[in-house]
Parts: sequence; structure tokens; C-alpha cells
Amino acid sequence: GAVVSQHPSWVICKSGTSVKIECRSLDFQATTMFWYRQFPKQSLMLMATSNEGSKATYEQGVEKDKFLINHASLTLSTLTVTSAHPEDSSFYICSARDRSDNWGTQYFGPGTRLLVL
Amino acid sequence: AQSVTQLDSQVPVFEEAPVELRCNYSSSVSVYLFWYVQYPNQGLQLLLKYLSGSTLVKGINGFEAEFNKSQTSFHLRKPSVHISDTAEYFCAVSRGFGNEKLTFGTGTRLTIIP
Repeated sequence: GAVVSQHPSWVICKSGTSVKIECRSLDFQATTMFWYRQFPKQSLMLMATSNEGSKATYEQGVEKDKFLINHASLTLSTLTVTSAHPEDSSFYICSARDRSDNWGTQYFGPGTRLLVL
Repeated sequence: AQSVTQLDSQVPVFEEAPVELRCNYSSSVSVYLFWYVQYPNQGLQLLLKYLSGSTLVKGINGFEAEFNKSQTSFHLRKPSVHISDTAEYFCAVSRGFGNEKLTFGTGTRLTIIP
């Protein structure tokens, strides 16, 4: 149980284009999903908290107009990197909190590697 | 605000030897503690978690961790490591239900030497 998927697993795009990454909870409902960014050999940095049916809460320093988050259902959240630039190249990981888990355990997706040329 | 310190960035260990990965945290309130493992080019997998109750927590793959409130530590241990344990290990803390934001440590790369 508690499986989270991400699609795509990797993407290469040209500078200036937009990229959408999907995060799905496969066998549970997630009222809250989180988006993280991980640079090589570094820890995960929380970008934003996504709540189903409401606006995402962004961490300080994260541009909400550049990283658009939509959490339209209890099993799907999307992150769109708009007008991507090479500095946006990174490993993006989502996590989802099981709605029925009273302790708030987060389950992580396998990550999406983005390379912007 | 809480923070997590993983004192060792890299730990090399011979196969079948014991290992301890250190984690210390700071917080002004009670916290929940987690250990995650990340294999190359993959997301994070939950190893174990401390929420309340017994301070010795057993997780998957033979790992265990002990919560020590007085020392604000949550060290991860395994009595005998295997080659497949080679990975990055992250300690994390959250304030728990209603405030699930995780704060991660910088990670410890565990390398098992055959």
C-alpha cells in the first residue's frame, strides 16, 4: 500500500518551454501533497504544500508564478514549471499524506529528473 | 522552527559489520521523527518513524532507531549491513498531525565495502 507515482520520470526540454509533472497517490486519498526539489548530492528542499481544492502554500523564495501547482483531486497534484531555464534543472520529488493516516506520514514518489537545455 | 543535523556526510562500512548513522534535532515543541532511504535516482522510502511510545523503533530491512529525548537524538542502527544497503539516508522531523511539513537533514551516504 501507500504507493505514489510520478510522471514523467525524466524530461529534457528547451529553455523557455513549460513542463508539467504529475504526482498521483495510487491506493490512497491524499488531501495534502508536497513538492520538493533536490539538487545533486543535497537534501530535499520543500517548495510548496498542495491542498486538494485550494491554493498551494509556497515556501519562502519559491516563485508561485513560475512553479504552478494544481491539486484538483484527492489523488492527483501537478507541478508546472513555466518558462523553464537551465537553472530549473533538478530532481523534483512529490510526497502525499494519506488522508486516513492520523500521524501525517508522507509517502514519496520516485522523482522526476528535469534537464533544461 | 526545527532543524536536523546529520553529523556524517559519508560513512563507509565493511559488509556484515554494524553501522550507526547519527541524527540530532532541535525543536521547541514535541516532534515526530523519521528516517528515509534514497537509492540512486529514486525517490525516498520510509525506513521507520517515531511518533510516541517505545523509544526503540524497528523498521524495514533490519534497521532500528532509538529516540533519546534528553540528547535530542534519533540515531539509526543496523547490526549487520549488506551491499544492498548502499544508499543515501535522510533523517527528518515534523511537528506532526496538522503540521506535516518535513524538515530534512543533509543526508548520510552509506557505502558498503565488500
